[in-house]
Amino acid sequence: GENVEQHPSTLSVQEGDSAVIKCTYSDSASNYFPWYKQELGKRPQLIIDIRSNVGEKKDQRIAVTLNKTAKHFSLHITETQPEDSAVYFCAASGYGGSQGNLIFGKGTKLSVKP
Amino acid sequence: DAGITQSPRYKITETGRQVTLMCHQTWSHSYMFWYRQDLGHGLRLIYYSAAADITDKGEVPDGYVVSRSKTENFPLTLESATRSQTSVYFCAPRTGLWDQPQHFGDGTRLSIL
Repeated sequence: GENVEQHPSTLSVQEGDSAVIKCTYSDSASNYFPWYKQELGKRPQLIIDIRSNVGEKKDQRIAVTLNKTAKHFSLHITETQPEDSAVYFCAASGYGGSQGNLIFGKGTKLSVKP
Repeated sequence: DAGITQSPRYKITETGRQVTLMCHQTWSHSYMFWYRQDLGHGLRLIYYSAAADITDKGEVPDGYVVSRSKTENFPLTLESATRSQTSVYFCAPRTGLWDQPQHFGDGTRLSIL
């Protein structure tokens, strides 16, 4: 079945710097890759997603890139702010072993220092 | 999200008791999912449902029971609660599988003493 690995598990950056979180997946049939942000005590919130027919997607300060050949995708946050501090989860789903269900990475705790 | 209601938000109970967590959605999404979230394990799928009266096991189904008599409701029951089931539980409706977005409810924080 599908397996999603996420790195790093913790990331600390200075306000204004960029942050990059990387995920790899195992099933080449996966075709949908969402990213979630979870603040302490809150629900995971979908912040951006990408489908396999595009290589990059941007929404203001966040962007996601996808390399289907290498089977990895990344979340990029530019000009980080303290309110970006949260746990970020990547996920993958598709027509393969995941049976269409989302398979999640273990999460990255991002801390943005003022 | 405004279209997903989980209840209760917090629950404390004792081992051996039966507990039911409720999930209601107003979007009429076909698919509904139950996850548990524990430190070090991320989000793990317990059960899901493709439509009314159709349910299937996820990664960690043991000790849980689900039903779906109506599209909008998807209750999760712990038949005899154990301390290992102390967790935060999230319900998540989804339009479909494969490449459809999935949104989460606010969660139920369950403590079993």
